[in-house]
Amino acid sequence: EVQLVESGGGLVQPGESLKLSCAASGFTFSGSAIHWVRQASGKGLEWVGRIRGEVNGYATAYGTSVEGRFTMSRDDSKNTAYLQMNSLRGEDTAIYYCVRLTVTNAYWGQGTLVTVSS
Amino acid sequence: QSVLTQPPSASGTPGQWVAISCSGSTSNIGTNTVNWYQQLPGTAPKLLIYSDNQRPSGVPDRFSGSKSGTSASLAISGLQSEDEADYYCAAWDDSPSYYYVFGTGTKVTVL
Repeated sequence: EVQLVESGGGLVQPGESLKLSCAASGFTFSGSAIHWVRQASGKGLEWVGRIRGEVNGYATAYGTSVEGRFTMSRDDSKNTAYLQMNSLRGEDTAIYYCVRLTVTNAYWGQGTLVTVSS
Repeated sequence: QSVLTQPPSASGTPGQWVAISCSGSTSNIGTNTVNWYQQLPGTAPKLLIYSDNQRPSGVPDRFSGSKSGTSASLAISGLQSEDEADYYCAAWDDSPSYYYVFGTGTKVTVL
């Protein structure tokens, strides 16, 4: 069974940094791209970005609202993906999900809440 | 970045047919396939339709998807109370770089 478990969310002040983790199990992690999607309270889904697997050179792509501030990485030996978030703003407050997308399915974690407030 | 446009709300009584539209452009829906997600209150989204009109295992055949040009549609036939949820379309977009874009979301209410 595919499982994705996010952790690392919390309350931070504007301008600070936070690193989220996504622990994966139930599939071949090294070969899979991992996406991050966020959702502000009462709002829609926003794609944050994705990191591809080893065979694709761990290529990353980011949404325009986070590019230059957020960095995705992964440790295939730990089956874990990371989202480093710097220069956080109030508008980054959201539930952050890690997602594995395949052609025929999508597997979502339960999400972790990030709150940016002074 | 582009966004896919959906109506904010749709509604119907139990047993009715409801359709949700998703309008995009040539760089997303016009070029790539469309997924649909269902999000029940307080839960993570669930894939409902992939590749425009395919259902993952376990999704009832009351849900169907279609696409024409730069627009897509999700239909729910025989609406049930448990279908009350938010629905999002999504597709890859090729311009200016390859990224994933979600629709604005539609709240379906079962009257």
